[in-house]
This record gives sequence, structure tokens and C-alpha cells, in this order.
Amino acid sequence: QSALTQPASVSGSPGHSITISCTGTSSDVGSYNLVSWYQHHPGKAPKLMIYEGTKRPSGVSDRFSGSKSGNTASLTISGLQAEDEADYYCCSYVGSSSPYVFGTGTKVTVL
Amino acid sequence: QVQLVESGGGVVQPGRSLRLSCAASAFNFSNYNMHWVRQAPGKEPEWLALISYDGSYTYYADSVRGRFTISRDNSKNTLFLQMNSLRTEDTAVYFCAREGSREGFSVYAFDYWGQGTLVTVSS
Repeated sequence: QSALTQPASVSGSPGHSITISCTGTSSDVGSYNLVSWYQHHPGKAPKLMIYEGTKRPSGVSDRFSGSKSGNTASLTISGLQAEDEADYYCCSYVGSSSPYVFGTGTKVTVL
Repeated sequence: QVQLVESGGGVVQPGRSLRLSCAASAFNFSNYNMHWVRQAPGKEPEWLALISYDGSYTYYADSVRGRFTISRDNSKNTLFLQMNSLRTEDTAVYFCAREGSREGFSVYAFDYWGQGTLVTVSS
């Protein structure tokens, strides 16, 4: 199973919106509504931001939203803030004996 | 609050073994499936292993199957990863993670992670 494809970097100004894509195949992202997104500040514990493609865990800001079209999932961060600067990874359940595949990761920079 | 704390990392020679631990607190550990995920320097995370809430089943990534063993001690709220026949490509930060659930059903996502423990395999 190959890693899902994300842009290496995305940047935006405070208050603006950015979208991070996560492209897989019909065997992973396209087959399941089970994409999750993680925010990772290096040296800290990764944080779940979106699960089941579109759902936010309790405590996650509603500035974060998820969507999916075909084999591509997306994470949108609206009202960009300085603390959003981090690495973001998508992950899809793939239903095999090795059931999870991660994305290549996107570094978000707040200008 | 939910806490996962990994330990046991370090520098080890190729071919040797290492055992990682993950101490869980502030939740009912025995109710949750648990996972190990690693991230090599400059690479994306890689899912490694899953153990069910009661230890009755396990799954492994192809890259570690037959060399690594996931286990748990629910009486001590601790998750383990026994790593044998280590290779230089096993060098990574190793994270334990809890599988999230809602109303008793898995959400197929990792809702809590530890900060990780670094394993360096080098001669």
C-alpha cells in the first residue's frame, strides 16, 4: 500500500483559508469514508483533527473541516491562526491486514 | 486527561532487540484497541501494529511482521512492542496511539497519541 499524496507545503496569511489535499486510490480513500487528519507540532503528541472524513472530535475548533471527492480527501483550515502552523497528515483505513495508510504530510506555514 | 507515555527507546545495534512500553492513564485502558505507529526522520508516519482491547487479536504491517510483537497488560494499563532483529531502517520515533470509538464502535482513527520514543539502530 503506497502512501497517500499530500502537497509538501501550504501557506497562508492570518485570517485566510487554506486547503490541504490528500490523494489516494479507489482502494483506500475512494473506498471508505474513513479518512482522518492529524496536526503534529514536532516533539509533541499528534492531535486528531478530523475523523470519518468530516467529523470533528470534541474540543477541535470549527475552523477545521474535512471533505472528500472521489479518491481525494481535503482538510480546510479557515481563519488561519499562528498556532495552526504545524505538520498535517491524512490517514485512511484500507481494510486489509495492514489497515491504515498515512499521507506524505504537509507543512503549513502562517505567513 | 488521557495520557499515553512511551518509554524504552534508545540506541541499539543491528540485529539486537528492544522492548518499548506505553503507560496509559485517565481512561479505561481495557476497553480500547491500541496501536503502534512510527515515523522515520523526514518521512510520513507508518502504521505498525494493532492489538484488540482484550489482546485476542493482533495485526502487523508487512515491514515488521515476524520481527515485532505487540502485547498488552490490562492489569497494568500498559502496551508493549517487542522489537527483534532490528535493522537500520527501523530507526524512527515510535508512538503508541489509542483507537477512537463512539458508542462502542470504532471510528478507525487514533484519538490520542503519546509524544513518542526515539529508537536509533546503528552500529
